[in-house]
Amino acid sequence: AQSVTQPDIHITVSEGASLELRCNYSYGATPYLFWYVQSPGQGLQLLLKYFSGDTLVQGIKGFEAEFKRSQSSFNLRKPSVHWSDAAEYFCAVHTGTASKLTFGTGTRLQVTL
Amino acid sequence: EAGVTQFPSHSVIEKGQTVTLRCDPISGHDNLYWYRRVMGKEIKFLLHFVKESKQDESGMPNNRFLAERTGGTYSTLKVQPAELEDSGVYFCASSIPSGLTDTQYFGPGTRLTVL
Repeated sequence: AQSVTQPDIHITVSEGASLELRCNYSYGATPYLFWYVQSPGQGLQLLLKYFSGDTLVQGIKGFEAEFKRSQSSFNLRKPSVHWSDAAEYFCAVHTGTASKLTFGTGTRLQVTL
Repeated sequence: EAGVTQFPSHSVIEKGQTVTLRCDPISGHDNLYWYRRVMGKEIKFLLHFVKESKQDESGMPNNRFLAERTGGTYSTLKVQPAELEDSGVYFCASSIPSGLTDTQYFGPGTRLTVL
């Protein structure tokens, strides 16, 4: 069965600093990968997704993620964090044969001014 | 276009009571999913409808949970009787069936607290 690991439970960065949130997956075949964000009091919002093709994908709010098959990773990045990016971020995968998503435990991002 | 909506946003009930959660998917989305996040844990899949049919209910924890989607539009998730461990946030998501490229859009969730 597939699994997703987000090794960092909590990360604090200063506003304007760069950000990288880690995500590792375990699945034997081609994964379909997603990043979602949950801002305080909000639902889950899709940031970006990777299905195939270019391994660097661009998302909303200035986020990007890079799929690295050799490392089984799909890390989320942003060059300059804004205070409004404080939220919880979830990496997820589905295998295509089954549409249900498998999520990581989430990374809570705190942004200091 | 309206997103996925869920009602209520919060529910506080006592152990042994019944609660019904509702989800209205995005119009035209035949796929509807229920997920749950228990505090401190990952978001976990509960079940998947395609129109009114249950495609996959492998994540339903036990027979105290009953999901329905009459007419293939909105869905309800009933917990009867509720137990303390049922507390958590219940998310609903919907999508257009797209096979390998299925992309799910989530609602705001219902926070259920069982006392």
